[in-house]
Amino acid sequence: KQEVTQIPAALSVPEGENLVLNCSFTDSAIYNLQWFRQDPGKGLTSLLLIQSSQREQTSGRLNASLDKSSGRSTLYIAASQPGDSATYLCAVRPLQTGANNLFFGTGTRLTVIP
Amino acid sequence: DADVTQTPRNRITKTGKRIMLECSQTKGHDRMYWYRQDPGLGLRLIYYSFDVKDINKGEISDGYSVSRQAQAKFSLSLESAIPNQTALYFCATRGMTNTEAFFGQGTRLTVV
Repeated sequence: KQEVTQIPAALSVPEGENLVLNCSFTDSAIYNLQWFRQDPGKGLTSLLLIQSSQREQTSGRLNASLDKSSGRSTLYIAASQPGDSATYLCAVRPLQTGANNLFFGTGTRLTVIP
Repeated sequence: DADVTQTPRNRITKTGKRIMLECSQTKGHDRMYWYRQDPGLGLRLIYYSFDVKDINKGEISDGYSVSRQAQAKFSLSLESAIPNQTALYFCATRGMTNTEAFFGQGTRLTVV
């Protein structure tokens, strides 16, 4: 069974700092990996989707990388802002389940201090 | 308006009661999912459906049932709610293979 781990569980940084969130997964046979943001009361918002054939995706201040062979992904946030405070989740879609399911990590709770 | 809408947003119910959580989507996706989120465990799949005639169990389907009333509507029922079903429930949709998943805003269910 695919297992997804996110470390650290929580992170506090001062405003303006660049930061990296980590995601690791145990089985490299994946269709894609998706990063989400979760805000209290607002559900999950999709940030970036990386297909298994891609190495990275960028959206604004966000850059996600994927190293499938080592089972790792990182989410880089540039010039962090207080509005970036949220929980960030990564999820992988494994090959062996026929793309029926996403396996989630437990998230990194980010606090950006003004 | 949200692309994936869940109702209710919050619900408190008593042990043994039947409860239905509803999900509707305007994205035109054929695939719909129900997940639950518990602290420290991440999201886990309850049921999923690829079209109105297709229902499949996920990782943790015991104690739950679903109905796909239309392409845009997928409801989750707890036939006899129990306290350990207290959780945050999410509906999600997805298009054809290798596409993004989109989630609703969640339903916080408390069973007392």
